[in-house]
Amino acid sequence: GESVGLHLPTLSVQEGDNSIINCAYSNSASDYFIWYKQESGKGPQFIIDIRSNMDKRQGQRVTVLLNKTVKHLSLQIAATQPGDSAVYFCAERTYGQNFVFGPGTRLSVLP
Amino acid sequence: EAGVTQFPSHSVIEKGQTVTLRCDPISGHDNLYWYRRVMGKEIKFLLHFVKESKQDESGMPNNRFLAERTGGTYSTLKVQPAELEDSGVYFCASSQDLGAGRGYEQYFGPGTRLTVT
Repeated sequence: GESVGLHLPTLSVQEGDNSIINCAYSNSASDYFIWYKQESGKGPQFIIDIRSNMDKRQGQRVTVLLNKTVKHLSLQIAATQPGDSAVYFCAERTYGQNFVFGPGTRLSVLP
Repeated sequence: EAGVTQFPSHSVIEKGQTVTLRCDPISGHDNLYWYRRVMGKEIKFLLHFVKESKQDESGMPNNRFLAERTGGTYSTLKVQPAELEDSGVYFCASSQDLGAGRGYEQYFGPGTRLTVT
């Protein structure tokens, strides 16, 4: 297992508030994007994905927004809970190639 | 359904030694991926198997790394000889091939933390 890195960008939110985690991706040809959640000692866990032909997709308490014009991806978590505390990674993929991961953002939920 | 498993969870070796990491993907998943995360940095792709064939090994750092997937089931990643910069967490992931237009969700294992001293 792994303990997450010590020097990641950190977002601190109050329990119950909404969280917005941002990601700038690098390749304008990327056609598929995933958000992963990684808790300490565990591997990345799939949260939600979106294809480049969409600009918004909703899951349970989570929404992913894609802005292809500025190559920006965001993950919104509604009513953030203590169990949401983790490191969140975005990953982009261009068809026929493999995933490229972002550096990660640590989400800290304050009581 | 059992998830992706990796062994060992943690390995500490001296520079110059050899280490072999193992990954057991989810049963029925033809695609198997190896990734590495050096502390504090992003997860980097190493290579991709489709069944027993190497589809893409462009991320392998050098010839000290050797990955195999005999029989298309579990995979091993050997580092020989290990160097200090090889320290990090090695993740394995697997996915089904759902065809064009379908998701490519990868299921990750818990990782192997490799420490080279």
